[in-house]
Amino acid sequence: GNSVTQMEGPVTLSEEAFLTINCTYTATGYPSLFWYVQYPGEGLQLLLKATKADDKGSNKGFEATYRKETTSFHLEKGSVQVSDSAVYFCALSEAGTASKLTFGTGTRLQVTL
Amino acid sequence: DTEVTQTPKHLVMGMTNKKSLKCEQHMGHRAMYWYKQKAKKPPELMFVYSYEKLSINESVPSRFSPECPNSSLLNLHLHALQPEDSALYLCASSGVSDSPLHFGNGTRLTVT
Repeated sequence: GNSVTQMEGPVTLSEEAFLTINCTYTATGYPSLFWYVQYPGEGLQLLLKATKADDKGSNKGFEATYRKETTSFHLEKGSVQVSDSAVYFCALSEAGTASKLTFGTGTRLQVTL
Repeated sequence: DTEVTQTPKHLVMGMTNKKSLKCEQHMGHRAMYWYKQKAKKPPELMFVYSYEKLSINESVPSRFSPECPNSSLLNLHLHALQPEDSALYLCASSGVSDSPLHFGNGTRLTVT
C-alpha cells in the first residue's frame, strides 16, 4: 500500500533560518504529492503540490521538488518567519484521483525570535 | 477565510445525545469528504461523497451517519458516541480527478 514518511518533530528554528522538512513516499505508479499546513486551531490548507516527476511546487516562499528517483518531496524555505509556526503534513494521492489522500504523521515547526 | 464552512466550531455532547455536524462549500466541487483528526495525528478519512453519492466508507461505525442533501452540503449525524470519538472533525471538498482537497476549519467534538 501507499505510505508517507516524514521527519519527526518538533523542529525548532530561529527566525530567518533555513528550513528543510524531509518527506519520502512509497506508492505504485505516479502519485500526486502535496504539502498541507495546519495552523493552531484551524483545518489544513494546501501549501503546494506536484503531479509529476521533477515538478517543483512553490508557494509563500516554500518549495518542494518531486524526485521520483529518491521517492522524495522535501519541503524547503530559505528564511522562516514566526508566522510559519504550524504543523506540516506531506501527503500523496494516487494518479487520477484525489479521493484517498495518504498523509504523513506531520512535523511541527516552531520558529522563535 | 476558508471556502469550506463547518458548523458548529465546537460541540460538547453526552453519550446518549444526537447531534449533527454541517459542512458547506460553494466552489462547485462534486466530491466531499469527512475526516477525523485526533490530537498530534494526521487526519483519517471517514467518508467520501462523489456527485452526492457515498463512494467510500472507511469501515466507520454506524454511530456516524453521513448525508449529502445536495452538491453544496454535507452532514455528519452523530448518535450514541463514545468518549474516544472526541476529535477534530474536518470536512473537505475537491473538484475532479487530481484536484487538491480544500479543508474547512473543523468541528472540535468532545463526548462526555
